[in-house]
Amino acid sequence: GAVVSQHPSRVICKSGTSVKIECRSLDFQATTMFWYRQFPKKSLMLMATSNEGSKATYEQGVEKDKFLINHASLTLSTLTVTSAHPEDSSFYICSAGRGGGASYEQYFGPGTRLTVT
Amino acid sequence: GQSLEQPSEVTAVEGAIVQINCTYQTSGFYGLSWYQQHDGGAPTFLSYNALDGLEETGRFSSFLSRSDSYGYLLLQELQMKDSASYFCAVKNNQGGKLIFGQGTELSVKP
Repeated sequence: GAVVSQHPSRVICKSGTSVKIECRSLDFQATTMFWYRQFPKKSLMLMATSNEGSKATYEQGVEKDKFLINHASLTLSTLTVTSAHPEDSSFYICSAGRGGGASYEQYFGPGTRLTVT
Repeated sequence: GQSLEQPSEVTAVEGAIVQINCTYQTSGFYGLSWYQQHDGGAPTFLSYNALDGLEETGRFSSFLSRSDSYGYLLLQELQMKDSASYFCAVKNNQGGKLIFGQGTELSVKP
């Protein structure tokens, strides 16, 4: 099956610092990766679509300068939360796309729980 | 805009059958997916319907009616481990994005 990893699984940082989260597709190449955030007992909210070799496409209301996304290779996308604040504390989940057309599927990573103190 | 509606919570007993409905409004519809998520975990893929009809995978089945913009997930022979949140998600033609519903929290009682 398709495996997606995320690192770190948990991170605690101080307010004002930056945190980088990595998302890797381990056994397939992904031209597109997606970043979501999820608050407790809430749905997954799509933040941005990460395209290999080009700029990410952000959803409405998501600050590009705060959530920096880089997709430097076909197996790695990174999300950097810059100048983190307590309200950025959340569960961040990535997914990697595989296949094409109607058979295209997303495979999710295990998530990263960010706590900003 | 795009929106999905599903019940916020459902309770059932072990061994029972439960159906979780999902209605959607979206453009560029490709298909409807269902995901399971346990507390603190990542979503895991359950099923996908691109065409009308019923798809069966073991104890889980999923149905889609494109004309009614409606689908459901059917869970049979419920087990305690099925207690989780279940999300329907629409896949559209905008770069393969998934738009998730708010989730249904299923509680399975002994």
